Amino acid sequence: QKEVEQNSGPLSVPEGAIASLNCTYSDRGSQSFFWYRQYSGKSPELIMSIYSNGDKEDGRFTAQLNKASQYVSLLIRDSQPSDSATYLCAGDRTLTDSWGKLQFGAGTQVVVTP
Amino acid sequence: GAVVSQHPSWVICKSGTSVKIECRSLDFQATTMFWYRQFPKQSLMLMATSNEGSKATYEQGVEKDKFLINHASLTLSTLTVTSAHPEDSSFYICSARTSGRYEQYFGPGTRLTVT
Repeated sequence: QKEVEQNSGPLSVPEGAIASLNCTYSDRGSQSFFWYRQYSGKSPELIMSIYSNGDKEDGRFTAQLNKASQYVSLLIRDSQPSDSATYLCAGDRTLTDSWGKLQFGAGTQVVVTP
Repeated sequence: GAVVSQHPSWVICKSGTSVKIECRSLDFQATTMFWYRQFPKQSLMLMATSNEGSKATYEQGVEKDKFLINHASLTLSTLTVTSAHPEDSSFYICSARTSGRYEQYFGPGTRLTVT
C-alpha cells in the first residue's frame, strides 16, 4: 500500500469551475501536509501547506485536512487554463524519520478546458 | 523568499564521464537538502538526503558510489553522477528545507542526457 495516494486523473475541469483534488495517507503520525504544483517539464512548486484539522485558504486555493479520516484535499476555485498541471500531495514522516523527508503521492493531473 | 537554484539546467555528456550538479539555497540556510530523480510521466523518486557537514543517506537501491553527494555548507549541495550511462538520463531535482520546518523548496531541476 502506498503511503500517500491520489487519483492520477486526468481531472478535466471547465474554466471557471472548482477543481477538487483528494489525497489519503496511511501514516497516522504525519502532522504536516503540502500541496505542490508541477507543470510539465518543470520542478514542483509549493502552493499550500496545512498542519491543523480544518480549512486553510490562500487566494483561489483551499486546503482541507482531516486527520481522523487521514484525508487531505485541495480545492481550486475559478479554475484557469494556467492551473493545468500535476498536483502532488505530500506528508511528513515525523515518527519514522528525523531528516524531514516527505512522502509524495503520484500526483493528480488537472486539465482546465476553456 | 525560499529560492533554490540549480546549475546547470541541462547537460549532455558522453557515456563514462562524470557530471556535477550544484544546488544552492539563495535566501535561507538549508540544513537538509534532498536529491530526487524523475523519469518522464513518473513520480518523484527520492535518491538521497544530506545534512550539512554529514554524510548523505541514500534510499534503498540507489548506488552511493555512483551518485556522490556533498553538502559542504548550509547553502550548497552537489550531486556528482560518476561514470554516467544512458540509463542515468533523467531529470534531477534538488530540494531544501530549513531546521524546524517541513516545507521543501525545489530547485528548477537539471535535465541530464547521457549519449
